[in-house]
Amino acid sequence: DIQMTQSPSSLSASVGDRVTITCRASQGISNSLAWYQQKPGKAPKLLLYAASRLESGVPSRFSGSGSGTDYTLTISSLQPEDFATYYCQQYYSTPLTFGQGTKVEIK
Amino acid sequence: QVQLQESGPGLVKPSETLSLTCAVSGYSISSGYYWGWIRQPPGKGLEWIGSIYHSGSTYYNPSLKSRVTISVDTSKNQFSLKLSSVTAADTAVYYCAKFDTAMVLGYFDYWGQGTLVTVSS
Repeated sequence: DIQMTQSPSSLSASVGDRVTITCRASQGISNSLAWYQQKPGKAPKLLLYAASRLESGVPSRFSGSGSGTDYTLTISSLQPEDFATYYCQQYYSTPLTFGQGTKVEIK
Repeated sequence: QVQLQESGPGLVKPSETLSLTCAVSGYSISSGYYWGWIRQPPGKGLEWIGSIYHSGSTYYNPSLKSRVTISVDTSKNQFSLKLSSVTAADTAVYYCAKFDTAMVLGYFDYWGQGTLVTVSS
């Protein structure tokens, strides 16, 4: 199985801050990576796929980058509605696996 | 707009079988794409359970494979999950979701709202 490790596990930030979350795979996944946002009591929402492609309707302040084993999700200017937990997911091979999540909290 | 809705018992006794159904609207399962189940124990992360194509082709997480069966009913536009011999460790919110590809190697673009299943006597 491919293990996905996110860092940090949580962070505190202010509205307007630039936030970066990292996801590291235990082996190369050739950009087969998606990012999700989950708010309490809600289902995850797809933000990006193929490491850097923005899902339709997702604000452009969200961006993704990376290659090989290391990937990042960046929120260029944090908005109040962005406080949530973020998960990465690899789809390079089965079993599909997720990172443990990064909780973005209000500072 | 694709919509998914999970249904099934919210309480299951230990050693029994958990059964959930996902009703799909706004899209015909027979038209393609894989469909899947994901679960999330309270306060924890996401775990892929398995996926199915409209043809009935399935892929399961090896960690659960011996206990999982996923099936599809194209006439009702729904797919189902059965998880046998449940224990308290199977307590979780169970989500059904649609893949964005016609391959099992994909990501989920539409999700159901999730249903909490508690395993307890």
